[in-house]
Order: sequence, then C-alpha cells, then structure tokens
Amino acid sequence: DIVMTQSPDSLAVSLGERATINCKSSQSVLYASKNQNFLAWYQQKPGQPPKLLIYWASTRESGVPERFSGSGSGTDFTLTITNLQAEDVAVYYCQQHHTTPFTFGPGTKVDI
Amino acid sequence: DVQLVESGGGLVQPGESLRLSCAASEFTFDDYGMSWVRQVPGKGLEWVSGINWNGGSTGYADSVKGRFTISRDNAKNSLYLQMNSLRVDDTALYYCARGGHSGSYSSALDIWGQGTTVIVSS
Repeated sequence: DIVMTQSPDSLAVSLGERATINCKSSQSVLYASKNQNFLAWYQQKPGQPPKLLIYWASTRESGVPERFSGSGSGTDFTLTITNLQAEDVAVYYCQQHHTTPFTFGPGTKVDI
Repeated sequence: DVQLVESGGGLVQPGESLRLSCAASEFTFDDYGMSWVRQVPGKGLEWVSGINWNGGSTGYADSVKGRFTISRDNAKNSLYLQMNSLRVDDTALYYCARGGHSGSYSSALDIWGQGTTVIVSS
C-alpha cells in the first residue's frame, strides 16, 4: 500500500500569514501516461464532511479561494494557504488515488 | 443541489451484517465513479471502497476486503455497501463520496454526504 505522511501534525498561523503543509507518498503517484499526479487535498471542519480543495496536485476545485494552492509532483507535495483567514481553521488531508487502496495522510490541523 | 444522503447505519454486534445505502440526486449518477470513506470520531479518514460507473470495476481497503461488498443501482441512483462479519474496529462514520466524471473511481472526491454512523459493539 502507498503510505501517505504529512507534516507538520499541526500548526498555528497568524491571520493574514501563510500556512504550508507537506505531504509525502511512499511511491510516486504520477500517472505517467496522463502526466497527472493523482493527489488531492481536502479540508475538514468540525462536524462537517471533507471538502475537496485541490485535485491533480495543483488544480483548484471550483469555488475554492485563490489563497489555496497546491504544488509538487511524484512523491512530494505541498498545500499552501496564503493570507490565512479565520474560516481556514480546519484539518487538512492529502489523498492519493493512484493505486488501490487509496490512502489518506493522517491530517494536519491548522489553528490561528 | 447536488446531494448524497447516506442511510442504514446503526448498532450491531460483532459478526453481524449491515447494509449502507447512499441516495444521489441532482446529477447524472451513472457518469461517476463512487467511493465509501469512513472516519472514526476524532481520527483521520480511511478510504473503504470504490466502484466505477457501471459496477464493472471495484476496489477495497485491505481491512475490509472479503467482508464488504460495494455495489450500485444506476436506475435507482443509489450506492450500497454490504458489510458482513462486522468487527469492533469497523465502528465509524461512513461517508459516501462522488468520484470522477470519467466514470472511474480512481479520482478525487468532489461531493460528500453527511455520513451514517455504524457502531459495532457487544
């Protein structure tokens, strides 16, 4: 199975500042024939289901604010939240959907 | 609005069975792959199973392989998860989630239901 790790486990960021979350997969999740990384990022707030933020590692889902961005390829990925807002307090998960079983990272909690 | 509504959760004893359902609305159900994801309260997310648009391709987490079966009825816009030989560690909130428009379940999950709770306890 592909193991997903995230760092840090949690971080506190001041309003308006930047949050950076790292995600690493134990194997490449680059789908070579499509030149796409099968890596997604989700945001989960308490009492709510996860919400898709980023797919294919760097494509922002419709309606997601531009302050959320994803980067990386192969095995190393980053979610960056610039100009952090109060409503961004949540747990963030990465997930690979390249190889079954599809696996999530353990999550990173972002606080103000 | 595009919506997924799960049902069928409950309290069962170890070794018993349960069938979860997910009703989809306001989108063309058979255009999409679908997945089940579970979450123990206060813990992380675990992908459980996925199915492609016509049911011809499925996948499972190692922890449920051989015990759970995913299926769908496109005529009823519904997704199912048959859970047999339930164990205490299957206790979780189970989410239904929509996958890619390509029809494959190998995709990011863009629509999620609110979940249905399964408790396995003696």
